Amino acid sequence: GAGVSQSPRYKVAKRGQDVALRCDPISGHVSLFWYQQALGQGPEFLTYFQNEAQLDKSGLPSDRFFAERPEGSVSTLKIQRTQQEDSAVYLCASSLAGFDQPQHFGDGTRLSIL
Amino acid sequence: GENVEQHPSTLSVQEGDSAVIKCTYSDSASNYFPWYKQELGKRPQLIIDIRSNVGEKKDQRIAVTLNKTAKHFSLHITETQPEDSAVYFCADPSGNTPLVFGKGTRLSVIA
Repeated sequence: GAGVSQSPRYKVAKRGQDVALRCDPISGHVSLFWYQQALGQGPEFLTYFQNEAQLDKSGLPSDRFFAERPEGSVSTLKIQRTQQEDSAVYLCASSLAGFDQPQHFGDGTRLSIL
Repeated sequence: GENVEQHPSTLSVQEGDSAVIKCTYSDSASNYFPWYKQELGKRPQLIIDIRSNVGEKKDQRIAVTLNKTAKHFSLHITETQPEDSAVYFCADPSGNTPLVFGKGTRLSVIA
């Protein structure tokens, strides 16, 4: 595709439910990043993949958060047993390779936990 | 990037005037400095970036300057237009560490 695609754009879930957010990066981009953006704040790093390898997950807030990229392309961010503090916009970005290359962002998934 | 501070947090300018946003960083190993523009409800978009071997880079009305000694880099927008109104974020990686974003500057261009 021409850009990074994320789905769904909006997700409403009840506290305690599990959710799965999808990211389809730019074709050929080796690196994929997940960020969490709270209202009025800058994006905060969650995790990073190079191809299918998850090289850094230091930003994941708890063990309820899990991300995968099994074939080195599409990635899924899963949040188990959601809590209200998980409400945020989840952004995905991809780059040719590494942190010091331009990152291209998707439109994000706005997650609301009731 | 361990820490990046961005100033000001809000900025209002008259249409046609210039706007300057500054970020300071702490890690001397930093070598790549992007600036992103984010309109309300939309994705962050890369508008300009600079590498540590260059002191200044321009793209039409937008420029970025880097002062490695003082560890700061600045975004300059000249001849501002209403469509420049958005939140601007600087970011700082240190080679192989995740991007750390500044807290953002909300720019309002008043027609």
